[in-house]
Amino acid sequence: DGGITQSPKYLFRKEGQNVTLSCEQNLNHDAMYWYRQDPGQGLRLIYYSQIVNDFQKGDIAEGYSVSREKKESFPLTVTSAQKNPTAFYLCASSTPEAGTYEQYFGPGTRLTVT
Amino acid sequence: LAKTTQPISMDSYEGQEVNITCSHNNIATNDYITWYQQFPSQGPRFIIQGYKTKVTNEVASLFIPADRKSSTLSLPRVSLSDTAVYYCLVGDMADPGGGNKLTFGTGTQLKVEL
Repeated sequence: DGGITQSPKYLFRKEGQNVTLSCEQNLNHDAMYWYRQDPGQGLRLIYYSQIVNDFQKGDIAEGYSVSREKKESFPLTVTSAQKNPTAFYLCASSTPEAGTYEQYFGPGTRLTVT
Repeated sequence: LAKTTQPISMDSYEGQEVNITCSHNNIATNDYITWYQQFPSQGPRFIIQGYKTKVTNEVASLFIPADRKSSTLSLPRVSLSDTAVYYCLVGDMADPGGGNKLTFGTGTQLKVEL
């Protein structure tokens, strides 16, 4: 089965700690994305990567870092500099096929920082 | 930064056609319009994407007027399982970091009743 996996589904951390969220895809997609979703809100783009070893900031990159060492993996680190890290984090991937850029989303990780 | 505006909520009954409109006055020349469906605590799922005029697939139709400043997602004969949040996304997938940076709207909560 092809798809995107995110782990863990729920994550709890103490304030001041860095935490890394995993995102893996076996769809052979070049592009990968990280979004943040707050309750009752839409998705906001944190970082994206269109090719291995390259990534770009989205709208709300402050307090986050990413790496893209492999095509299949795009981990997101939420650092202690992120002021309000508690949120639902979604990873997605895409590739242009037949002129569309459908994004495939993972199941998400709900991060709670206290 | 593009701003997309959608109705916060809509109610319908099973078997009815539902039309959800998204306003995107600042859409750029290279931007596509994409609609996603999201159930609680899950990642969004692609519904349909278009650039102009009308696009139809097996689950929905997308109507885009000539000025492209709005779009309407049409769901024929909805069922209870269509109860979800529907998001309008405007952006240039070939350049996610461009002007509109894959801006998601705040979403429309559709509730379908018997």
